[in-house]
Amino acid sequence: EVQLVESGGDLVQPGGSLRLSCAASGFTFSSYWMSWVRQAPRKGLEWVANIKQDGSEKYYVDSVKGRFTISRDNAKNSLYLQMNSLRAEDTAVYYCVRAKYAFDIWGQGTMVTVS
Amino acid sequence: AIRMTQSPSSFSASTGDRVTITCRASQGISSYLAWYQQKPGKPPKLLIYAASTLQSGVPSRFSGSGSGTDFTLTISCLQSEDFATYYCQQYYSYPYTFGQGTKLEIK
Repeated sequence: EVQLVESGGDLVQPGGSLRLSCAASGFTFSSYWMSWVRQAPRKGLEWVANIKQDGSEKYYVDSVKGRFTISRDNAKNSLYLQMNSLRAEDTAVYYCVRAKYAFDIWGQGTMVTVS
Repeated sequence: AIRMTQSPSSFSASTGDRVTITCRASQGISSYLAWYQQKPGKPPKLLIYAASTLQSGVPSRFSGSGSGTDFTLTISCLQSEDFATYYCQQYYSYPYTFGQGTKLEIK
């Protein structure tokens, strides 16, 4: 079964840091672009970051540039999001997503609360 | 950034109805457009990609059309499980952007 499982969400103070992880299974992780997408409470979806199969290309939404870093470990079938200098507006459910044609596989999400 | 605007923002309909949701991009995105369905407390589900290609396992009552700046999602015969929020998304250029969502409610 194709699956993405996020972990690492927590309550953190403004200015703090957090590292999210995503464990992939059921597909060849190293063959796909991967993404993080977030959703603030009762709000819409916002793409956060993308990373190429080999990690050589990374893209971010402007609001997180310089604060967040996306990375991956293909040997461990894992995706990460290092979040620094967190702000109240970063409060959201963070989804790990496989980027095939569009975003075809989503994890259940992990909640990050900055307060 | 490319702005994606959906209409309507919310909509009431009955089972069996045919409904159409529109999505407009602020600049041309060719056919790099996807549609997602989201139910409360669940992650989004990909319905359509490349503007009109049905994702595997998605019922054929869902269809998409359009290219350039104007796109539509049509549900031909609403079922009870279709009442949800729908989002369009462009993946033509970074930053990838979503529409604000269309909440489809039972009349």
